[in-house]
Amino acid sequence: GNSVTQMEGPVTLSEEAFLTINCTYTATGYPSLFWYVQYPGEGLQLLLKATKADDKGSNKGFEATYRKETTSFHLEKGSVQVSDSAVYFCALSGRQAGTALIFGKGTTLSVSS
Amino acid sequence: EPEVTQTPSHQVTQMGQEVILRCVPISNHLYFYWYRQILGQKVEFLVSFYNNEISEKSEIFDDQFSVERPDGSNFTLKIRSTKLEDSAMYFCASSYTGSSTNEKLFFGSGTQLSVL
Repeated sequence: GNSVTQMEGPVTLSEEAFLTINCTYTATGYPSLFWYVQYPGEGLQLLLKATKADDKGSNKGFEATYRKETTSFHLEKGSVQVSDSAVYFCALSGRQAGTALIFGKGTTLSVSS
Repeated sequence: EPEVTQTPSHQVTQMGQEVILRCVPISNHLYFYWYRQILGQKVEFLVSFYNNEISEKSEIFDDQFSVERPDGSNFTLKIRSTKLEDSAMYFCASSYTGSSTNEKLFFGSGTQLSVL
């Protein structure tokens, strides 16, 4: 079945450091891939997505590229800020309407000034 | 931006009791979902709901669980007889078209259910 594996946290960085959070997936067919973020006390919010191979999703300085050959969708940011501290979830979805999102465990990022 | 609202934020119950978790999806959305996250584990899909019926459910969503849209605004998850292992954060979500390829799900901030 479909599944998502992301790196264990927590990840602790200083402000302006480079961030990578690894995510790999197993899926039949051609899923869409997502990164969701959960800030303290809030719900999950879509950060970025990619719907086909080699697509790059980007938002708020974060990027992730859909790599079919390595079945990966790693999240990167060149210079993190304290306000980026949150839990980040990698997810995939099939293409039918109402198809469930399959999430990873989440990676906690803590950025200090 | 519109929000999905969940109440209560924290629910404590005794094992064997019934609980109802409440959600108010975004008003023009048509697809509704429940997910849960047991502490330290993945966010797991429970059920999706469209046109007043379940469209998809996971193995977790057994006979102890039910969902309902009792009026035009609320979407509820009922656990008939809670077990210790039902303790988790429960997230409600909604979307307009149901095609997660093309649009995002909007999530609530969750209800933390603690079964004692």
